[in-house]
Amino acid sequence: AQSVTQPDIHITVSEGASLELRCNYSYGATPYLFWYVQSPGQGLQLLLKYFSGDTLVQGIKGFEAEFKRSQSSFNLRKPSVHWSDAAEYFCAVGPYNNNDMRFGAGTRLTVKP
Amino acid sequence: KAGVTQTPRYLIKTRGQQVTLSCSPISGHRSVSWYQQTPGQGLQFLFEYFSETQRNKGNFPGRFSGRQFSNSRSEMNVSTLELGDSALYLCASRMGQGETEAFFGQGTRLTVV
Repeated sequence: AQSVTQPDIHITVSEGASLELRCNYSYGATPYLFWYVQSPGQGLQLLLKYFSGDTLVQGIKGFEAEFKRSQSSFNLRKPSVHWSDAAEYFCAVGPYNNNDMRFGAGTRLTVKP
Repeated sequence: KAGVTQTPRYLIKTRGQQVTLSCSPISGHRSVSWYQQTPGQGLQFLFEYFSETQRNKGNFPGRFSGRQFSNSRSEMNVSTLELGDSALYLCASRMGQGETEAFFGQGTRLTVV
């Protein structure tokens, strides 16, 4: 069955440090992959997406992600974290089965001053 | 271009009541999906509408229903509310059916007391 795993429930990094959020997926074909960010009480904002082509994709707010088929991973990275990046991050795969997108459980990012 | 608009933003209801939530997609978008987000279950797909037809439905009881109007606006209804229905309900808008990115509204926070 299709699934998305975000192994880290909570990550704390210092402001200015680099960040990598992990995402692994299980999918029968080449997936469509997304990273979304959610601030408290807010909806989801799309950071970046991978459909095909170059496996390193650039997104908004200085984020990037790399699709690695051999590892079934789509990890999100940022070279230097800002305090405003504190939020919850969701990896998603799909849609499939007529537009059902499957989300990971999310990773909460805390940024230390 | 205006984003996805969900109304109301907050709602408090009593057990046994019913509730209707509204979602206006991005202009020109014809696909609307609904998701329920809770701390315990994460983001779960409710249903998806395209051109006024329900195309897919998640694993939720029949108390959860929805519809889409000719202008693509969508409503979801929950009847006989239970405490466990307390959640953030998110609406996602897509230009068309198929494998495209989704844009989310800010959600409606439903509290059942």
